[in-house]
Amino acid sequence: DAGVTQSPTHLIKTRGQQVTLRCSPISGHKSVSWYQQVLGQGPQFIFQYYEKEERGRGNFPDRFSARQFPNYSSELNVNALLLGDSALYLCASSLGETEGEKLFFGSGTQLSVL
Amino acid sequence: AQRVTQPEKLLSVFKGAPVELKCNYSYSGSPELFWYVQYSRQRLQLLLRHISRESIKGFTADLNKGETSFHLKKPFAQEEDSAMYYCALQGGKLIFGQGTELSVKP
Repeated sequence: DAGVTQSPTHLIKTRGQQVTLRCSPISGHKSVSWYQQVLGQGPQFIFQYYEKEERGRGNFPDRFSARQFPNYSSELNVNALLLGDSALYLCASSLGETEGEKLFFGSGTQLSVL
Repeated sequence: AQRVTQPEKLLSVFKGAPVELKCNYSYSGSPELFWYVQYSRQRLQLLLRHISRESIKGFTADLNKGETSFHLKKPFAQEEDSAMYYCALQGGKLIFGQGTELSVKP
């Protein structure tokens, strides 16, 4: 039973570079959400996509963008990387978009910006 | 402003002792609250949600709207309960607290 898969697991970039993180939801799940988790903090909401449309956006700069593909997989892009973007990026999927939907999380992508 | 506060970063108890992980929230509407757990080397996963009024692995949580709290309780802690626990509020988006690390000692 494949859960939410994220790639890559680890990534090292330098300031100013761009990065793309990928997420495949559980089969049948149509909603994907992205979270940033800085060391010692709880996950912070970045985006939610449902049926390929953006349904929510957290308090992140425009350097952060995302999209969802017809197969419901998703990409998170971050441009002009800053040192402060170093974090664990989590993807979560759910069946629908309604509030209270049970979220299933991936293992995350650990991004280090040097 | 929507906010979730977990006042304890670390809670250490002995096996068999009662445990209570505190969670307070700030939300203007009717909140939907959750507890998520992350065991060592595992993914973040849902433990329980208040609308289900369920007990999972012996844990329960009661929503107290008057005190704006959703504390997680277990009468007798087990070593396998050691993990990071996050309280979360659904208010258009899922808002997490900073987490409490529970350490259950033998």
